Amino acid sequence: SQQGEEDPQALSIQEGENATMNCSYKTSINNLQWYRQNSGRGLVHLILIRSNEREKHSGRLRVTLDTSKKSSSLLITASRAADTASYFCATETSGSRLTFGEGTQLTVNP
Amino acid sequence: GAVVSQHPSRVICKSGTSVKIECRSLDFQATTMFWYRQFPKKSLMLMATSNEGSKATYEQGVEKDKFLINHASLTLSTLTVTSAHPEDSSFYICSASKEGAGNTIYFGEGSWLTVV
Repeated sequence: SQQGEEDPQALSIQEGENATMNCSYKTSINNLQWYRQNSGRGLVHLILIRSNEREKHSGRLRVTLDTSKKSSSLLITASRAADTASYFCATETSGSRLTFGEGTQLTVNP
Repeated sequence: GAVVSQHPSRVICKSGTSVKIECRSLDFQATTMFWYRQFPKKSLMLMATSNEGSKATYEQGVEKDKFLINHASLTLSTLTVTSAHPEDSSFYICSASKEGAGNTIYFGEGSWLTVV
């Protein structure tokens, strides 16, 4: 079964607004990663947060990790139309083997 | 930066034929590569772990005789879909891990397979 579950499954916002996506998982992890995928394309690595970290920033991205709740969130601030894509969380348990969540389809309307 | 290349990006084949997809790490060596499958609007499902110089490790429910994986060198893994059927039509993506630098994982651009 899928390790991660994400919500919402789809999110539609206006440019300039913030977008928050959540991810939950079931087992212990080494780290959790967030990826972006444009339609029909490969994955782009956005950010990695280790199991001993609670929050991480990268540009307009902010990721939190709560290992007690086995959950993570991805916040994209000041969204742009170009941020429209699918976003996936993925947990790494060992040896670069990733288990992906179901993904959130983000649409940013200009 | 590191790049993982997949070829072909799109392929159409007839039912019953076999098709090979290549995954190359262009500027680093990868002892391990991974193959994922993704149906439209769905998540990525790990199919198998490709190990250089040894047999691939398949996930539960993935037919190893159907999806042949060969990792003959440190920069190349191939996935061959044998006796393809329309239900094999999917997006196949590979990844490779660059050791050091936090073992960053890089994904290929994916390969669309359509079986007609």
